[in-house]
Amino acid sequence: AQSVTQLDSQVPVFEEAPVELRCNYSSSVSVYLFWYVQYPNQGLQLLLKYLSGSTLVKGINGFEAEFNKSQTSFHLRKPSVHISDTAEYFCAVNGGYQKVTFGTGTKLQVIP
Amino acid sequence: SQTIHQWPATLVQPVGSPLSLECTVEGTSNPNLYWYRQAAGRGLQLLFYSVGIGQISSEVPQNLSASRPQDRQFILSSKKLLLSDSGFYLCAWVGTGSTYEQYFGPGTRLTVT
Repeated sequence: AQSVTQLDSQVPVFEEAPVELRCNYSSSVSVYLFWYVQYPNQGLQLLLKYLSGSTLVKGINGFEAEFNKSQTSFHLRKPSVHISDTAEYFCAVNGGYQKVTFGTGTKLQVIP
Repeated sequence: SQTIHQWPATLVQPVGSPLSLECTVEGTSNPNLYWYRQAAGRGLQLLFYSVGIGQISSEVPQNLSASRPQDRQFILSSKKLLLSDSGFYLCAWVGTGSTYEQYFGPGTRLTVT
């Protein structure tokens, strides 16, 4: 079984400030990890993914995430956010099964 | 390149009416296909997935059904809609032999009145 926890349902942050969106997972097997972004009334778009190798993964729009196996975490970070980053962000995990498990999402609100 | 289409984009239906949402994928063959629902303030709920033509796995017992009549076509249906069926429906695909990153369609906003 696998699960994902996104503890923060909403994160407000001022423009140009750094942000971290937290994600913790549990799985009985090795996992692939993903972050997706969803803008209002749109589908989800893949931001980045961790498959293996370097634990620091860089994605689109200046986002990066760090895989921490001992803490079973995959937190998403950006050093300086823009208004256009306002969206909902989903962490997801797959342990090699046909189904991906998504977190409940974190709404990032960038304040001008 | 691969693209995924969903239609209609928005739909308003009365309670008790039937439903048919369609999803098609271009530029790939034999994909895994998925239907999700997002209700207001909630995350993604996996409804159905399919690994091939005519192969449907149901995740949540409900009054919805899914079919895959062609390799790249996935249909979500209901005979009688309930108010609780309102939500944002998303179709997604995964390439065979991939690492399971999913690619999503633009979604259908369904409002049951």
